[in-house]
Amino acid sequence: DQQVKQNSPSLSVQEGRISILNCDYTNSMFDYFLWYKKYPAEGPTFLISISSIKDKNEDGRFTVFLNKSAKHLSLHIVPSQPGDSAVYFCAAPLMGGGSNYKLTFGKGTLLTVNP
Amino acid sequence: ETGVTQTPRHLVMGMTNKKSLKCEQHLGHNAMYWYKQSAKKPLELMFVYSLEERVENNSVPSRFSPECPNSSHLFLHLHTLQPEDSALYLCASSQEGGWGYTFGSGTRLTVV
Repeated sequence: DQQVKQNSPSLSVQEGRISILNCDYTNSMFDYFLWYKKYPAEGPTFLISISSIKDKNEDGRFTVFLNKSAKHLSLHIVPSQPGDSAVYFCAAPLMGGGSNYKLTFGKGTLLTVNP
Repeated sequence: ETGVTQTPRHLVMGMTNKKSLKCEQHLGHNAMYWYKQSAKKPLELMFVYSLEERVENNSVPSRFSPECPNSSHLFLHLHTLQPEDSALYLCASSQEGGWGYTFGSGTRLTVV
């Protein structure tokens, strides 16, 4: 049972326009969300996060919005650049074994920004 | 060298072979993880080690055997794998109690 869902496998936008990547979750115990970015032949790298006590977090061109009632979050990239072309993963941590958090990931969305 | 390093980057093995994947981190983290990424699937957590003890095994078949000799090194020993085990295997590390994972670049495994 997938607790973090990214229903769009791919998204294509023009350079300079806004990219909006969506993520839905089912577990109301999640209280923190992260976005990771992955280029081919590299591991995922942390991009931006948001706590459930906020509805927006902004970092430069990247903004994450959280709608707790809808169990939905989105990542906005504006303006989009060709270098943003990558797979974007939505993730949420849950306390696992020991005192460690385990990250649950969505399937990812491949963003292509066309020049 | 800094960050999380995985070797080899690519591995092709037969179903009767035995091989090992290696992960090394130089971040001073004390928790390490193995994830599997198959095509069109989410990253799947396989194993979690915290302070060199395995604290989580996510129903992974016994043909995958992890080893964590110290907090900087993590291995995944492979034997009698199946073609459906072909995937990208990612190692990550974090500080215990944190969720700021740092991932390695992964090992692309192909089982023939």
